[in-house]
Amino acid sequence: DQQVKQNSPSLSVQEGRISILNCDYTNSMFDYFLWYKKYPAEGPTFLISISSIKDKNEDGRFTVFLNKSAKHLSLHIVPSQPGDSAVYFCAASVIEAGNMLTFGGGTRLMVKP
Amino acid sequence: SQTIHQWPATLVQPVGSPLSLECTVEGTSNPNLYWYRQAAGRGLQLLFYSVGIGQISSEVPQNLSASRPQDRQFILSSKKLLLSDSGFYLCAWSRGTSGRYEQYFGPGTRLTVT
Repeated sequence: DQQVKQNSPSLSVQEGRISILNCDYTNSMFDYFLWYKKYPAEGPTFLISISSIKDKNEDGRFTVFLNKSAKHLSLHIVPSQPGDSAVYFCAASVIEAGNMLTFGGGTRLMVKP
Repeated sequence: SQTIHQWPATLVQPVGSPLSLECTVEGTSNPNLYWYRQAAGRGLQLLFYSVGIGQISSEVPQNLSASRPQDRQFILSSKKLLLSDSGFYLCAWSRGTSGRYEQYFGPGTRLTVT
């Protein structure tokens, strides 16, 4: 049973426009959520996180939104740049259970110049 | 600043051979350490985690084992590799203190079992 799902395997966006990556989860115990960016043959790079006590967290061009009632989070990238092209993973954890991350399957973002 | 190292970067091993992948973290003490595997075209699966020397927890039953002989060293091993062990192995660390829950990943090891 996949507890964290990214239903869109790929997304193509024009440079300068907004990229919206979505993630759904099923475990209501999750209380911390993260987004990672991954280039081929490299380890994931941490982008941004959000605690379940918040519904929005912003860092530069990246904003994460959390809708707990819908068990849904999204990552907005504005404006999108060609260097943003990568695979994006969302992850969730239960902090008191040891902070192990459960990852979604990833979404490949392609930003066209 | 903290850095995490993994080696080797790539490895090709025959079925039935042993495996040892090493991960070390610099610039922090008493980190939580993790091993993940990414199979081709899939997400990351947690294999093992450790909150201290000699303390290992396994998330999935498998042909692999992990050890933490020193505070900042984490080793992934196998006595006999299977074809299904092929994948991209990632080590990660996080601070052992509350309030900081991000995990930081190493560069990974690409393992191909032939």
